[in-house]
Amino acid sequence: QKEVEQNSGPLSVPEGAIASLNCTYSDRGSQSFFWYRQYSGKSPELIMSIYSNGDKEDGRFTAQLNKASQYVSLLIRDSQPSDSATYLCAVNAGDVGGADGLTFGKGTHLIIQP
Amino acid sequence: SAVISQKPSRDICQRGTSLTIQCQVDSQVTMMFWYRQQPGQSLTLIATANQGSEATYESGFVIDKFPISRPNLTFSTLTVSNMSPEDSSIYLCSVELWNIQYFGAGTRLSVL
Repeated sequence: QKEVEQNSGPLSVPEGAIASLNCTYSDRGSQSFFWYRQYSGKSPELIMSIYSNGDKEDGRFTAQLNKASQYVSLLIRDSQPSDSATYLCAVNAGDVGGADGLTFGKGTHLIIQP
Repeated sequence: SAVISQKPSRDICQRGTSLTIQCQVDSQVTMMFWYRQQPGQSLTLIATANQGSEATYESGFVIDKFPISRPNLTFSTLTVSNMSPEDSSIYLCSVELWNIQYFGAGTRLSVL
């Protein structure tokens, strides 16, 4: 049984601060890791993908992966009220470039306080 | 990325009836996926639809309840059969491009 665990929150962060979102996964063979953002009533949109151990930065977002600890995180710098949403961690157990469905965590509800 | 059109966007259905959801993508893709998002919950994979072969269903989902068609590389349908109130959910289709999955806007289904 593949599982992806996230703290459901809500996580409240002041505007301009760093928001830190965490995720653990159970399938040690997982190869691809994703963070999606989902606004209420909308479909998920991709924020970051990461495949190798270490950090990956894209603008205000940094994804971190530690396969030994089975841990993925997302840092949002200079948090803005528009970042308020539910952040979904998703894991693909297949090979990179393969075509397996994603296993999602329950999501962390992030609130950026102006 | 991909432009994914999903129809209908929402529907209210009576118990015991069936609803077919359509998913159209603007480019040819090998893999399409169907997910369910129950109220207040995250996404759960229903099945994977590969053009030219039978859909592959996840544990807890069966073809009789959720038949899927995949007639070509840009289109798929999911039918929710013999609906009950427990089927009230958002159903999303997804396509995979270069190892990234992109989602349609979803179909919000309410079963009375």
